[in-house]
Amino acid sequence: DIQMTQSPSTLPASLGERVTINCRASRGISNNLNWYQQKPDGTIKRLIYYTSNLQSGVPSRFSGSGSGTDYSLTISSLEPEDLAMYYCQQYASSPYTFGAGTKLELK
Amino acid sequence: QIQLVQSGPELKKPGESVKISCKASGYTFTNYGMYWVKQAPGQGLQYMGWINTETGKPTYADDFKGRFVFFLETSASTAYLQINNLKNEDMATYFCARRRPGSPFDYWGQGVMVTVSS
Repeated sequence: DIQMTQSPSTLPASLGERVTINCRASRGISNNLNWYQQKPDGTIKRLIYYTSNLQSGVPSRFSGSGSGTDYSLTISSLEPEDLAMYYCQQYASSPYTFGAGTKLELK
Repeated sequence: QIQLVQSGPELKKPGESVKISCKASGYTFTNYGMYWVKQAPGQGLQYMGWINTETGKPTYADDFKGRFVFFLETSASTAYLQINNLKNEDMATYFCARRRPGSPFDYWGQGVMVTVSS
C-alpha cells in the first residue's frame, strides 16, 4: 500500500497569510492526487484533482503542485472560511490512501 | 444537480447489523463507481473499497473484508453499505463518493454517523 505522509498536522495561521500543506507518498503516484477540505459540520469537498486542477467553484486562492512523491496545497491568502481540515488522497494505486490530515486554525 | 444523499444517523448495539444508503441523482448512476470511506471520531479518512455500479462487483480494502458488504439497487440509483456483527470500533461516520477515470472522487455524500453502544 502507498503511505501518504501529510504535514503539518496542525497549521496556525493568520488571515491573509499564505499557507502550504504538504503530502509525501511512499512511492511515486504520477500526479494522481486530490486535495479535500472538510468543514466542522463534516462535509467533504474536493478542492484540487490530479495535483493541480482546481475544482469548479473553488476560489482561485487555492492551488496545488507537485510531482513524483511530493505534493503541496497552497492557499495564497487565508480567508476565515478556509479554517478547516485538509486531506490529500492518492488514487494511483488501490487502496486509495489518505494523508492523516492538517487542521488549519487561527494563530 | 449532482447529489449523493445518504441515510440518517444510526444507533445500534454490538452484534447487530446496520444498512446505510447512498442515493445518487443528477447523473447516470452506472457511469461512476461508488466508493466508501470511514472516519472514526476525531480521526482521519480511511478507504474502505468500492462497488462497480455496472457489474455490481464489490472490492474491499483489507481492513474491511468479512463483515462489510457493498451492494446496489441500480433501479433506484442507490448504493448500500451493510455492516454485520457490529463492533465498538465500527462507530464512525461513513461517506460515499463517486469516481471514474478522469473524475476521481468529485462528489461526496454528507456522511452517516453510526453509533455502536450497548
